[in-house]
Amino acid sequence: GAGVSQTPSNKVTEKGKYVELRCDPISGHTALYWYRQSLGQGPEFLIYFQGTGAADDSGLPNDRFFAVRPEGSVSTLKIQRTERGDSAVYLCASSLTGSGGLSEQFFGPGTRLTVL
Amino acid sequence: KNEVEQSPQNLTAQEGEFITINCSYSVGISALHWLQQHPGGGIVSLFMLSSGKKKHGRLIATINIQEKHSSLHITASHPRDSAVYICAVRSNTGNQFYFGTGTSLTVIP
Repeated sequence: GAGVSQTPSNKVTEKGKYVELRCDPISGHTALYWYRQSLGQGPEFLIYFQGTGAADDSGLPNDRFFAVRPEGSVSTLKIQRTERGDSAVYLCASSLTGSGGLSEQFFGPGTRLTVL
Repeated sequence: KNEVEQSPQNLTAQEGEFITINCSYSVGISALHWLQQHPGGGIVSLFMLSSGKKKHGRLIATINIQEKHSSLHITASHPRDSAVYICAVRSNTGNQFYFGTGTSLTVIP
């Protein structure tokens, strides 16, 4: 079956613009995670959805970042007024339930965001 | 302040060598994970540990909860082992995962 997919794979934008990054989780997975990975760093937790609701958004760096999952499947990470420091690979992962660990999460290939 | 520290940051080894990657953490955890990330970004989970030791093929992972330390060992290393190895911990107080910065391993034939 299909794994986690993310679109676009690469996004180049200008400082100040708005971007949306999409994640299609594995069908039936109720939990969805967004991470951000800067060059040379490990992933950084952003937000975790259980179903349609954001169960933990404590990793979102500021109010320019917002994520939705209106129907409990596809999720969109939205970044307003992008800054050069937002440049990173944005990773999405899903798992069957939210109670598991990383070993039960399936990662997407990521979206590489570059803010010029 | 990094909740998870890994060493070394970079490691080059000859094929066949025994490799050790270390991870120390500073928070209370419910589990520790070792992940493998290949060029292009794909992440695969290798181990989940809460105590003791696990072995899978040529890979061995150990954890010492009292010392807040884990090691990943690769025996008889092979060029296909070349990747970034990331240590991550799940906080025991919520849903947070904390990741190390990764160890970039290159195994030379």
